[in-house]
Amino acid sequence: QSVLTQPPSASGTPGQRVTISCSGSSSNIGSNYVYWYQQLPGTAPKLLIYKNNQRPSGVPDRFSGSKSGTSASLAISGLRSEDEADYYCASWDDSLSGPVFGGGTKLTVL
Amino acid sequence: EVQLLESGGGLVQPGGSLRLSCAASGFTFSSYAMSWVRQAPGKGLEWVSDISGSGGSTYYADSVKGRFTISRDNSKNTLYLQMNSLRAEDTAVYYCAKKNSYYYDSTAYPDYWGQGTLVTVSS
Repeated sequence: QSVLTQPPSASGTPGQRVTISCSGSSSNIGSNYVYWYQQLPGTAPKLLIYKNNQRPSGVPDRFSGSKSGTSASLAISGLRSEDEADYYCASWDDSLSGPVFGGGTKLTVL
Repeated sequence: EVQLLESGGGLVQPGGSLRLSCAASGFTFSSYAMSWVRQAPGKGLEWVSDISGSGGSTYYADSVKGRFTISRDNSKNTLYLQMNSLRAEDTAVYYCAKKNSYYYDSTAYPDYWGQGTLVTVSS
């Protein structure tokens, strides 16, 4: 059971906007940054969003992150077939003194 | 270009040992903390262990504490994970990851990942 809670699945059609939620607590998301990773099928995770809403160079601006209280969201606009992947949120947990991940959300592009 | 190449995975019996390696290139290895993160088949990501840039500080998830040892050889740009007393629940793909910071703290995060190596613990 993951410390951060994500919906197991999400879906959308090409061109649509999709959001993926990540719920935590005051000891993790509530007091620390949130990160998002994209894992395409059969590949390693790739950093998508860091420090709540910052995009590494090369990540399209279709991807955006936000945080409010003890929850965070990843939004993908202009959905494309190549966005079909697993998405994981991550944060630091003060009680555990270590990094924690969400269980992952499988995004299907219909 | 940052490259991380894991090796050393395989099939091992419960109670056995295995040592994973991660060869790094494309960045100043000694300037960054490193992580091991694992992913059980069909499951999510789980942090395993971190080591500071110098190797002087190490950190472990409770699930592996006392059984796994992380280390690094900065002269060889290589990260290691010695895994002892392996259990069936340790079966996973093990990823090494570069962190964005020299230190292990709440603002450090993995910014590059290797392709992973599969460890299977089974009799």
